[in-house]
Amino acid sequence: LAKTTQPISMDSYEGQEVNITCSHNNIATNDYITWYQQFPSQGPRFIIQGYKTKVTNEVASLFIPADRKSSTLSLPRVSLSDTAVYYCLVGDRGLNFGNEKLTFGTGTRLTIIP
Amino acid sequence: DSGVTQTPKHLITATGQRVTLRCSPRSGDLSVYWYQQSLDQGLQFLIQYYNGEERAKGNILERFSAQQFPDLHSELNLSSLELGDSALYFCASSVVVGSYGYTFGSGTRLTVV
Repeated sequence: LAKTTQPISMDSYEGQEVNITCSHNNIATNDYITWYQQFPSQGPRFIIQGYKTKVTNEVASLFIPADRKSSTLSLPRVSLSDTAVYYCLVGDRGLNFGNEKLTFGTGTRLTIIP
Repeated sequence: DSGVTQTPKHLITATGQRVTLRCSPRSGDLSVYWYQQSLDQGLQFLIQYYNGEERAKGNILERFSAQQFPDLHSELNLSSLELGDSALYFCASSVVVGSYGYTFGSGTRLTVV
C-alpha cells in the first residue's frame, strides 16, 4: 500500500477555494486515490475517488497529474461546515479490493475562518 | 444514515472487563473493517473480514478478537480492558468492486474507567 504525505493543517477563509495536496511517490499501477472527510466523533465520509487526470462531483474535484505521484483535492467556495480532517488514501480497487488494508494517515486538519 | 449500523453508541466499563461491539454492514457489502481512533489520533486499522473469513490484520492486540457471521454482521470483542483502550471504534463496509470506497458507521465510543 502506497504511503501518503499530506500537510498536517491548513486554514482558509469562507468563500475561498481550498486545495489540499497529497504526495504518494510509490503509487502502483493498479492503485486508486480516495479522499475522505471526517468530522469530530463521526466516521469518515467518502468524498471522491480517481485514477488519473480530473474527477469532479457535486462536492469536490480531484486533480491527478500524469505521473500520479501526487493528487490535489479541491473544495470550491468553502464554508464553516467544511472544517474537518481530510484523509488521502491510495490502494488497489480491483478484484482484490476486498483484501486491501485501508491505512489512514494523520490527515489534514482544515479550519475555515469566518 | 450511512447504512452501516454500529451498536452500542456509547459504552462505559471498568478495567479488566470484556465488551462486544457490533456492526451491521451496508446491504450487499461483503467486507467489514474495524478501526480504532483514540483522542486526537488517526484511524488505526484493526482487522478485516470478507464474507465470513478473516482477510487482513492490522494493529490489533491479542486481547481483541473479531468475527463475521453468516448474515455478514460482525462483532469486535475486547477483553481485559485497560484505560488505554478508551477510544472510538469504527466499523466500515465495502462492495467488492465499485467506485465509492468504504462506508463507515457512526462508531462506538468506549470509555474504560
